[in-house]
Amino acid sequence: DQQVKQNSPSLSVQEGRISILNCDYTNSMFDYFLWYKKYPAEGPTFLISISSIKDKNEDGRFTVFLNKSAKHLSLHIVPSQPGDSAVYFCAASALSGTYKYIFGTGTRLKVLA
Amino acid sequence: GAGVSQSPRYKVAKRGRDVALRCDSISGHVTLYWYRQTLGQGSEVLTYSQSDAQRDKSGRPSGRFSAERPERSVSTLKIQRTEQGDSAVYLCASSSPGTLNSPLHFGNGTRLTVT
Repeated sequence: DQQVKQNSPSLSVQEGRISILNCDYTNSMFDYFLWYKKYPAEGPTFLISISSIKDKNEDGRFTVFLNKSAKHLSLHIVPSQPGDSAVYFCAASALSGTYKYIFGTGTRLKVLA
Repeated sequence: GAGVSQSPRYKVAKRGRDVALRCDSISGHVTLYWYRQTLGQGSEVLTYSQSDAQRDKSGRPSGRFSAERPERSVSTLKIQRTEQGDSAVYLCASSSPGTLNSPLHFGNGTRLTVT
């Protein structure tokens, strides 16, 4: 049972345009969400996070939006750059329980020059 | 550097053999995770520990996976009686204490191939 879902396995975007990566979750106990970026042969690196008390968090070109009622979050990258080409994972955790981070299956973003 | 490092980078094991994968986490990090990443199935949590020198058994997927922490910043993932389905990239991640939701810092992973 996949508690965190990224339904788009891949996405191609033209350089300079907006990239929107989506993530859905099923567990209403999740209250903290993160996005990670992963290059080939490397481990994921933390990108941006959002707590459930917020609906938006912005860091430079990266903005994460959270819609709790829809159990949906998205990562916006504006403007997209070729160096953003990577696999993006969303992750969720809950303060209750064992604080395990549950990851989605990832979306491969390709930014075309 | 001062990041999370994993060894070996690649491991080939015959089916049925036991393997041990090592993770050196960041000094001062208390919480440590082992994930298994397979193509198309994302990252599955294998073990989790929040204190040092603790042996964890996650029960995933069948209890063949366990982790030990011989030192505070070192963890060894042990896989008993490997199966071909265990072929995957194994990622170690740690986070700093003090903040419940500190982002995880990942190593580059160990790619295990079971033949």
